[in-house]
Amino acid sequence: AQSVTQPDIHITVSEGASLELRCNYSYGATPYLFWYVQSPGQGLQLLLKYFSGDTLVQGIKGFEAEFKRSQSSFNLRKPSVHWSDAAEYFCAVASMYSGGGADGLTFGKGTHLIIQP
Amino acid sequence: GAVVSQHPSWVICKSGTSVKIECRSLDFQATTMFWYRQFPKQSLMLMATSNEGSKATYEQGVEKDKFLINHASLTLSTLTVTSAHPEDSSFYICSARGLVSYNEQFFGPGTRLTVL
Repeated sequence: AQSVTQPDIHITVSEGASLELRCNYSYGATPYLFWYVQSPGQGLQLLLKYFSGDTLVQGIKGFEAEFKRSQSSFNLRKPSVHWSDAAEYFCAVASMYSGGGADGLTFGKGTHLIIQP
Repeated sequence: GAVVSQHPSWVICKSGTSVKIECRSLDFQATTMFWYRQFPKQSLMLMATSNEGSKATYEQGVEKDKFLINHASLTLSTLTVTSAHPEDSSFYICSARGLVSYNEQFFGPGTRLTVL
């Protein structure tokens, strides 16, 4: 069975500093990997996704993530965080369904990002 | 584009009653819809996958007689929590996948269910 581990429950970063959120996955084949952000009272918003190809993926809001198969990791990074980045971040993995797309998602437990002024 | 709505956004009901939650894809046809459950300050857990016109596939440990899912059209799926009890109180989130962007799910805003 697939699984996702986000080892950091909380992370505090100063505004303007760089950010890295860790994600490790367990999946037998090449996974479909996602990062989502959830703000209070908001729905899930997709930041970026990896299916194949270039292992460095660019997303919205200045985020990027790098897929490292040897480490089973898909860490999320941002060079300079803004106060508006404070939210809950979820890494997720999906298997491929018969039609070729991504199936239901398995989420990590999430990382709560706090931005210090 | 790719907007998914849920109704209601929040609902309070008495123990023993049934509650229906609707999930609609507003600007695309959703061949597959997924239902997730999120406990406070916790992660999302996939409950079931529903394909239009077919019976839903439930994840292990999810009671299909408790959580009835119907996906009768390409834009609407419903989740009915039958004989709700306080332990069913949770945040229920749906997502939809269409033919065009079959690699990506678009999430609804969620429904907060509180069972008294």
